[in-house]
Amino acid sequence: QKEVEQNSGPLSVPEGAIASLNCTYSDRGSQSFFWYRQYSGKSPELIMFIYSNGDKEDGRFTAQLNKASQYVSLLIRDSQPSDSATYLCAGISGTYKYIFGTGTRLKVLA
Amino acid sequence: DTAVSQTPKYLVTQMGNDKSIKCEQNLGHDTMYWYKQDSKKFLKIMFSYNNKELIINETVPNRFSPKSPDKAHLNLHINSLELGDSAVYFCASRPRGKPGSYTFGSGTRLTVV
Repeated sequence: QKEVEQNSGPLSVPEGAIASLNCTYSDRGSQSFFWYRQYSGKSPELIMFIYSNGDKEDGRFTAQLNKASQYVSLLIRDSQPSDSATYLCAGISGTYKYIFGTGTRLKVLA
Repeated sequence: DTAVSQTPKYLVTQMGNDKSIKCEQNLGHDTMYWYKQDSKKFLKIMFSYNNKELIINETVPNRFSPKSPDKAHLNLHINSLELGDSAVYFCASRPRGKPGSYTFGSGTRLTVV
């Protein structure tokens, strides 16, 4: 079983809609979670991180963490075609060992 | 520009060859990493160095050897290249005390033919 799992997609949403990206993890000791965006042919870039249960908002992005259910999600409000990318979820396991999920490809349709 | 820079960006080579990828960061970060991203976009950690000291060494073939001459540089040397080594290799760094704040290099697309 992969330690961090994501649906590979593609997830297609119309422009202006809310995109919901989900991630589950198996290591209950994981404390911190991160969302990266990776455009095709480019390197991943950090867009959100969350340490505590609940929601964390940053502009159009909201990260949600539920440690009891072991899932993390990223909501993108008012989705734009420029949000089309692969979104990678990552968690920290052990001492600074970063585990990435396989990523979800998001397509925002104009 | 402050960044993590990798060279070369593309590398096409024949099976059995030995090649190196270089990485340099001018961000003053203490920790550097090598990741391998396969065709399905899965990013897998290979190595991590903290101030020139190896701290993470995942299960990778010993044909892969990292070298960190100083904390701003982390190079990756690969011996006897195989077809399965074809992937994009990303270098990354992070500052002390911020375990999640990675800055990635632009990647090196390695194709073994």
